[in-house]
Amino acid sequence: EDQVTQSPEALRLQEGESSSLNCSYTVSGLRGLFWYRQDPGKGPEFLFTLYSAGEEKEKERLKATLTKKESFLHITAPKPEDSATYLCAANNAGNMLTFGGGTRLMVKP
Amino acid sequence: DTAVSQTPKYLVTQMGNDKSIKCEQNLGHDTMYWYKQDSKKFLKIMFSYNNKELIINETVPNRFSPKSPDKAHLNLHINSLELGDSAVYFCASSQEGGGYGYTFGSGTRLTVV
Repeated sequence: EDQVTQSPEALRLQEGESSSLNCSYTVSGLRGLFWYRQDPGKGPEFLFTLYSAGEEKEKERLKATLTKKESFLHITAPKPEDSATYLCAANNAGNMLTFGGGTRLMVKP
Repeated sequence: DTAVSQTPKYLVTQMGNDKSIKCEQNLGHDTMYWYKQDSKKFLKIMFSYNNKELIINETVPNRFSPKSPDKAHLNLHINSLELGDSAVYFCASSQEGGGYGYTFGSGTRLTVV
């Protein structure tokens, strides 16, 4: 059974304090590792897709990386507007996304 | 323009009732999905549907059924609602393969009383 685990469950940072979110996965026939951002009362918003180990993608203060077992979402010098729940999901050979439980990020000014 | 829209946004109903949630996408995507997000915020796939194939998560009770009148719509029908069905239901769409990401609707919060 496909499994995606995220840690930590919650993360409090001061504005400007860089950190990383972890996503470990066990998926048969990985077809992509996704990162989403979810704000309260809204649907997940697509951030990145990573396909192979060693791949990296960046968007503003966010950088996602992928290994054969894990993905990391690095947040550099976060701002309060980066506060949200970040979801990791793996797409398997059957084209079904399996989500992790998310990391709730809170950035204080 | 909203890419994936769901209605209603909130739905409160009594146990035993039958209800539907509608979903429409204007992205030209060929695959649509229904996800359930429980109180612990876990998102779980319920159905995946394109014009060729319906894939059902085997853990979904058969009281839940997707219905697609056309490529841009995937509605969710729920019969004999139970308290445990209370959750937020998200519709999503993607191009075949999903490699460019799934686009999600804003969710329907279902409360069964």
